[in-house]
Amino acid sequence: SQKIEQNSEALNIQEGKTATLTCNYTNYSPAYLQWYRQDPGRGPVFLLLIRENEKEKRKERLKVTFDTTLKQSLFHITASQPADSATYLCALDVDTGRRALTFGSGTRLQVQP
Amino acid sequence: DSGVTQTPKHLITATGQRVTLRCSPRSGDLSVYWYQQSLDQGLQFLIQYYNGEERAKGNILERFSAQQFPDLHSELNLSSLELGDSALYFCASSNLGLAGNNEQFFGPGTRLTVL
Repeated sequence: SQKIEQNSEALNIQEGKTATLTCNYTNYSPAYLQWYRQDPGRGPVFLLLIRENEKEKRKERLKVTFDTTLKQSLFHITASQPADSATYLCALDVDTGRRALTFGSGTRLQVQP
Repeated sequence: DSGVTQTPKHLITATGQRVTLRCSPRSGDLSVYWYQQSLDQGLQFLIQYYNGEERAKGNILERFSAQQFPDLHSELNLSSLELGDSALYFCASSNLGLAGNNEQFFGPGTRLTVL
């Protein structure tokens, strides 16, 4: 069955360090992969989109890699701040005409001051 | 503010009842997506409409239905409600019909509690 795995355990890091979150998937061949941020009780907010032919994408302190051989995406936040504390979701377009996104369950990041 | 509005913010109802959730997409966006988020299931895709027509279907129960109107707002109808339907329901919009190649803008959600 199709599956997206994100570390369900919370990630705790110190302010200023780099946070690295992992998204692994099986039985998909996604053309795109997206990352979203979600704060408690609020809707997800889009962060980055990376295409299957792109290895890496950057936006300010954020960096995403996409390895279609390993079926894995890594999401990095450099110089992390307490305000980065949130749940981060990865999402893939399911191979049904690329018409739906399947979300991972998310990883909660806690940045300690 | 994403530009997507959802009403109501909270809804409390009883089992067996029927409710309607409403969503207005961002100005100019033709696609509307509905998601259900419960504690044990994560964010689950329900259904997508594009310019008034159903475009993709996810794990949407037969008791649930949706539509998108000519002004592009959308409604999600939930009937014969069960306790397990209690969840956050999100609407999202995008300007394209393909889900993967464009970002989705999420509304603030409707929290449904079924007692």
